[in-house]
Amino acid sequence: QKEVEQNSGPLSVPEGAIASLNCTYSDRGSQSFFWYRQYSGKSPELIMFIYSNGDKEDGRFTAQLNKASQYVSLLIRDSQPSDSATYLCAVNPSGTYKYIFGTGTRLKVLA
Amino acid sequence: DAGVIQSPRHEVTEMGQEVTLRCKPISGHDYLFWYRQTMMQGLELLVYFNNKAVMDDSGMPKDRFSAKMPNASFSTLKIQPSEPRDSAVYFCASRRQVNEKLFFGSGTQLSVL
Repeated sequence: QKEVEQNSGPLSVPEGAIASLNCTYSDRGSQSFFWYRQYSGKSPELIMFIYSNGDKEDGRFTAQLNKASQYVSLLIRDSQPSDSATYLCAVNPSGTYKYIFGTGTRLKVLA
Repeated sequence: DAGVIQSPRHEVTEMGQEVTLRCKPISGHDYLFWYRQTMMQGLELLVYFNNKAVMDDSGMPKDRFSAKMPNASFSTLKIQPSEPRDSAVYFCASRRQVNEKLFFGSGTQLSVL
């Protein structure tokens, strides 16, 4: 079992819709969770992080964490074609400062 | 701040040759990471440093890869001898002790023929 798992996609949504991206992790003691966006040919950039169970909102983005189910999700409201990218979930395993990344979900927002 | 700086941006080499990738972290950052990205495996952590000391290199093939951080503002990742399966994008990233935001460099696209 991989430490961080994501559906590779592509996930296609129409412009203006809500895109829902999911991630599961195996280390139950993990404390910190991150969502990165990576455009083709570019480096990953951080868009959200979450530490506590529940929801965290930042503009059109909402991160959701459920530690009991070992599940993290990212919702993108009012999706735009410029949101088309690969979204990487990253986890900070317990007791370490390293980041384990999932393989990413490719999102396509159709105009 | 200039961000994480990596060089070269592209490297094409022949199998068996030595390759050296370079990274300058953001000034004041305590942690430096080397990742390798391929389509199949995604972003894999090779090694990370804290204040120049190796914290975890379990993801790095020790027979051909070596990583060093001789000072707080410079790190190298060396591959000797290189093989076609090493072809990938290599990212360097850094962060501060007190802030978990990880900043990535632009990456080095390595092609081993």
